[in-house]
Amino acid sequence: KQEVTQIPAALSVPEGENLVLNCSFTDSAIYNLQWFRQDPGKGLTSLLLIQSSQREQTSGRLNASLDKSSGRSTLYIAASQPGDSATYLCAVSTDKLIFGTGTRLQVFP
Amino acid sequence: EAQVTQNPRYLITVTGKKLTVTCSQNMNHEYMSWYRQDPGLGLRQIYYSMNVEVTDKGDVPEGYKVSRKEKRNFPLILESPSPNQTSLYFCASSLFRRGDTQYFGPGTRLTVL
Repeated sequence: KQEVTQIPAALSVPEGENLVLNCSFTDSAIYNLQWFRQDPGKGLTSLLLIQSSQREQTSGRLNASLDKSSGRSTLYIAASQPGDSATYLCAVSTDKLIFGTGTRLQVFP
Repeated sequence: EAQVTQNPRYLITVTGKKLTVTCSQNMNHEYMSWYRQDPGLGLRQIYYSMNVEVTDKGDVPEGYKVSRKEKRNFPLILESPSPNQTSLYFCASSLFRRGDTQYFGPGTRLTVL
């Protein structure tokens, strides 16, 4: 059974820091992996989607990598800003879309 | 604007009183799904639909019904709500299948007393 784990559960950093969020999954047979952002009281916004054949995807200050063989993905946020404060979720796509429980990020000025 | 809408956003009801949460998307997506989000459990899929008149159970379908009579709409029906269905509910859609980029609605916070 596929399980998705995100560590740490919460993270608090000062503005300007580069940071890494981690996502691990137990079964490497995935179609792709997605990273989402969830703001309080709002829905999820898709940030990046990495196909199983890809190693990484970039969008602005965000870079997501995928190592399927080791069951790991990282989301790198460069030069963090207070507006990046949110919960970040990863999800792997197999015959289902399985979500991790998220990392709650706070960036303080 | 491309979006997924849900109504109502907040709902407090009592045990046993039937309710419907509506979901609509304007992107001509074929795949739609419902999730519930609970603390410590993350998002879990309730039902999904690959296309009109095609629906299937997700991981936690008990106590829920869905229908897909039109491509844009995918309502979630609770025939006899119970307190354990108190949760935050999300509707999502994607172009063809679950592996495509998912677009989420803003969520419906349901409390069943």
